[in-house]
Amino acid sequence: EIVLTQSPGTLSLSPGERATLSCRASQSVSSSFLAWYQQKPGQAPRLLIYGASSRATGIPDRFSGSGSGTDFTLTISRLEPEDFAVYYCQQYGSSPLTFGQGTKLEIK
Amino acid sequence: QVQLVESGGGVVQPGGSLRLSCAASGFTFSNYGMHWVRQAPAKGLEWVSFILYDGTYKYYADSVRGRFTISRDISKNTLYLQMNSLSTEDTAVYYCAFSQYCSTSSCYLDYWGQGTLVTVSS
Repeated sequence: EIVLTQSPGTLSLSPGERATLSCRASQSVSSSFLAWYQQKPGQAPRLLIYGASSRATGIPDRFSGSGSGTDFTLTISRLEPEDFAVYYCQQYGSSPLTFGQGTKLEIK
Repeated sequence: QVQLVESGGGVVQPGGSLRLSCAASGFTFSNYGMHWVRQAPAKGLEWVSFILYDGTYKYYADSVRGRFTISRDISKNTLYLQMNSLSTEDTAVYYCAFSQYCSTSSCYLDYWGQGTLVTVSS
């Protein structure tokens, strides 16, 4: 199975700053079948990005995804207070589906 | 609007069994494959199982294969997860989820329920 490793584990930033989150796969993710999710405490994950770079319905354009092969990035251009949460990447290019261990984005 | 409502969680002793349900509404349940994903306390997400729209194909994570059984009842618009031989490592919030764009198991998940907590403890 494909192992996804996210870095950093915790990212401390201030509102208005730019956030860059990384997701590295143990082997190439076919067709850039990689998604990103946001999860807030006590809530279910919310889909942000699919296909490595396509925003899901209703996701603000400050969220963007990029990458291919084994290296993927989620960028939040200008952090809003509601963006502080845990972010997970997920690959769906091969079975079983696997998730990264998460990056916690906290207020500095 | 799409709604997924899980139920059936609770406290169970090691070795015990539990059946989770996921009531679906707001979409044509019989047209979509469905997943179970779990999250241990303060941990990340782990995919558990998938069932095809018509129930003819089922797929499990290695960690639950042989102990968990996924099923669906189209007449009740409900997804199930029968969990047997539970261990403390199965303690988690269990979410049902699906993708409105993919029919196979290999997909992102754009709709999630709110989850139900399963605690395995003596």
